[in-house]
Amino acid sequence: DAKTTQPNSMESNEEEPVHLPCNHSTISGTDYIHWYRQLPSQGPEYVIHGLTSNVNNRMASLAIAEDRKSSTLILHRATLRDAAVYYCILQETSGSRLTFGEGTQLTVNP
Amino acid sequence: DTAVSQTPKYLVTQMGNDKSIKCEQNLGHDTMYWYKQDSKKFLKIMFSYNNKELIINETVPNRFSPKSPDKAHLNLHINSLELGDSAVYFCASSWTRGNTIYFGEGSWLTVV
Repeated sequence: DAKTTQPNSMESNEEEPVHLPCNHSTISGTDYIHWYRQLPSQGPEYVIHGLTSNVNNRMASLAIAEDRKSSTLILHRATLRDAAVYYCILQETSGSRLTFGEGTQLTVNP
Repeated sequence: DTAVSQTPKYLVTQMGNDKSIKCEQNLGHDTMYWYKQDSKKFLKIMFSYNNKELIINETVPNRFSPKSPDKAHLNLHINSLELGDSAVYFCASSWTRGNTIYFGEGSWLTVV
């Protein structure tokens, strides 16, 4: 499985944008980039995914570098409820397994 | 309605016992999974079933036996529980060609 690298932790203030980086220099041409998050004492939750183009949904935006070796999850206005561990995951093909890494613990300060 | 539901949510049991965790999904998905999250918070896939057939079986002791009576259910039976089995077990489901996996809320297993 291709590997991703994320910072262990990040902090943000409430109502400010948050940019969570992820490096995946060994990504292959067909790998999807997924982001999941895990709130305390809950199961992981799908956030967003993309292949080549930037993606937006109601939760977040995903910015993918042109060479696809890195990506950034953007939370436009962080809330206290966004405090969670955020996982950046590569999926080899549509429908194949997701291998979780260590993720980034996001702390949101009031 | 909860999309992926697991029972029990909490389970405390003694070493050597046999226990089961049940999972049901009402999303109509054809693929179900069991993941294990240990004390260091690493999430690892254990098993995956597609239309009741086992398709992923990671290096898991054979004391762990999944059973899928139908597409909507995937149960996990654990024999001869050991202290190291203490973890949170997550059930999940998706479409075979899907990009989104839906997780349950987890079952907290503590072996004493």
